[in-house]
Amino acid sequence: GNSVTQMEGPVTLSEEAFLTINCTYTATGYPSLFWYVQYPGEGLQLLLKATKADDKGSNKGFEATYRKETTSFHLEKGSVQVSDSAVYFCALSIQGGSEKLVFGKGTKLTVNP
Amino acid sequence: EAQVTQNPRYLITVTGKKLTVTCSQNMNHEYMSWYRQDPGLGLRQIYYSMNVEVTDKGDVPEGYKVSRKEKRNFPLILESPSPNQTSLYFCASSLRQGRYEQYFGPGTRLTVT
Repeated sequence: GNSVTQMEGPVTLSEEAFLTINCTYTATGYPSLFWYVQYPGEGLQLLLKATKADDKGSNKGFEATYRKETTSFHLEKGSVQVSDSAVYFCALSIQGGSEKLVFGKGTKLTVNP
Repeated sequence: EAQVTQNPRYLITVTGKKLTVTCSQNMNHEYMSWYRQDPGLGLRQIYYSMNVEVTDKGDVPEGYKVSRKEKRNFPLILESPSPNQTSLYFCASSLRQGRYEQYFGPGTRLTVT
């Protein structure tokens, strides 16, 4: 089946630290990959996406590269801010069938000043 | 403003009392979906709809009903709520099925006592 595994949280960092949140996937078919972010008290919103191997998605200083050979889509940011504190979800979608998003369990990030 | 709205945002109810959570989108999206979010379990899909009058079960449909009579609305119905349906619920929509960004509503926090 299709599944997403992301690193367990919570993750606590100091402002300006480097962030990596690992995400690996298993998929029957050729997935599109996504990172969604959920700020406190809000719904999820798309942070970035990649639809084919070696694509790099980027937004708000965050990046993730679609690595087919390692079935990974790790999220990185060079210098986190307090405002980046949120829960981050890795997700995939397979063309065909229900087209649903399959989510990882989420990683809570707290950035301290 | 393009958005997904849900009502109510918070609801406390008692076991067995039928309730409806409304969801509406103003983006003319074909695809709509309901998720529940529980600690340690991430987001799980309840039901989805690929277009008007087309709905199907997600991963955890038991105890829920949906309807899609109009393109913009996708209400979630709990005919006889039970305490295990206490959760945070999200409605989402996207242009079509597949590799399109899903837009999420702000969430409905339901407590069933």
